[in-house]
Amino acid sequence: ETGVTQTPRHLVMGMTNKKSLKCEQHLGHNAMYWYKQSAKKPLELMFVYNFKEQTENNSVPSRFSPECPNSSHLFLHLHTLQPEDSALYLCASSQGAAAWGTDTQYFGPGTRLTVL
Amino acid sequence: EDKVVQSPLSLVVHEGDTVTLNCSYEVTNFRSLLWYKQEKKAPTFLFMLTSSGIEKKSGRLSSILDKKELFSILNITATQTGDSAIYLCASSSGGSNYKLTFGKGTLLTVNP
Repeated sequence: ETGVTQTPRHLVMGMTNKKSLKCEQHLGHNAMYWYKQSAKKPLELMFVYNFKEQTENNSVPSRFSPECPNSSHLFLHLHTLQPEDSALYLCASSQGAAAWGTDTQYFGPGTRLTVL
Repeated sequence: EDKVVQSPLSLVVHEGDTVTLNCSYEVTNFRSLLWYKQEKKAPTFLFMLTSSGIEKKSGRLSSILDKKELFSILNITATQTGDSAIYLCASSSGGSNYKLTFGKGTLLTVNP
């Protein structure tokens, strides 16, 4: 399998649930990203990992917790979410390292999250 | 605060028309400007621009960057219904605090 994959593709959860989103990239990249896309709002960058080190979190609420065990895998752990957190969560990867800032990001298909 | 502004927000044209989408940006430590196409799924990459005045071309799509005036345009010639999508512009800034700032997108509808 090539490219960037995300699981699950759809997720419905209650406000008290704990769930995790998974992202895997098969491109040999060093940087991975989590984005949130809400209706009628610009795409928002949530977390950035370069060589497994978190470099940006853009003041994301603590109910979102990222984990990057290696350069190929990225998780987003969710707990006690709010209905307004319902959105499309996109994962992306890029070459990173020396190309940082000028490297193309390639997106996964996203996870459509609904919080009841 | 970094800012990317796209115009128009929406556009309706007929097949065969030529369209120009605009993107202006204000970012610190600018590194590159990127264009994406988003249909009913995740964005797909179109172009990355780092140098002024050098046109990038892919089939009927082309794009150019003006780093002096801080804007980029995306041109689509001989539009087809399959070009209907949201076109996203994003600006990246390098340095120790990486940022990628997206505009709100332009919704393009191409009617037969």
